[in-house]
Amino acid sequence: AQKVTQAQTEISVVEKEDVTLDCVYETRDTTYYLFWYKQPPSGELVFLIRRNSFDEQNEISGRYSWNFQKSTSSFNFTITASQVVDSAVYFCALSDPQTGANNLFFGTGTRLTVIP
Amino acid sequence: DVKVTQSSRYLVKRTGEKVFLECVQDMDHENMFWYRQDPGLGLRLIYFSYDVKMKEKGDIPEGYSVSREKKERFSLILESASTNQTSMYLCASRPPDWESTQYFGPGTRLTVL
Repeated sequence: AQKVTQAQTEISVVEKEDVTLDCVYETRDTTYYLFWYKQPPSGELVFLIRRNSFDEQNEISGRYSWNFQKSTSSFNFTITASQVVDSAVYFCALSDPQTGANNLFFGTGTRLTVIP
Repeated sequence: DVKVTQSSRYLVKRTGEKVFLECVQDMDHENMFWYRQDPGLGLRLIYFSYDVKMKEKGDIPEGYSVSREKKERFSLILESASTNQTSMYLCASRPPDWESTQYFGPGTRLTVL
């Protein structure tokens, strides 16, 4: 069965600190996609990244970076030099053939608070 | 620019009322979704639609129904609202290929008194 675990319910950091949000997933399929979404206080989920299961290269986008490790079934998200605008709830999600061509399976989210 | 809109940001209804939540997308996407978001539970799929007049139940369809008469519009209906349906409701759309990203609307925070 598919499962996405975000063990960190809430994290608080002081501005300019680095922070890593953990995501561990379970799936029986060899082909799948992983996603990260950001939900700011306004409520709308904003797409951050998609990674397919065959591409284990880490990705960096500005202050954001993602570490995908199939060996540990993890897809962790790091924010470098955090800013107050990074305060949001972050969701990791999984899409694979088992969920049908229909659905994303979400973790429970990690609420990040960046303290000025 | 991708756009998914929802009819209301905040809604307050009374127990037993029939409630309509509307979602419109302008990307010509085949697939549309309704999720419910609750603290500690993440997003849970209520219903989805892969074409006009087509619908499939998600993980928590009880107490809800949907309507998709036009490709761009997907409505969520609470036939008789109950207090346990107080929640944030998120609509999303996506192209037909399952690998694609889903695009979300701003959400409707529904309170049932």
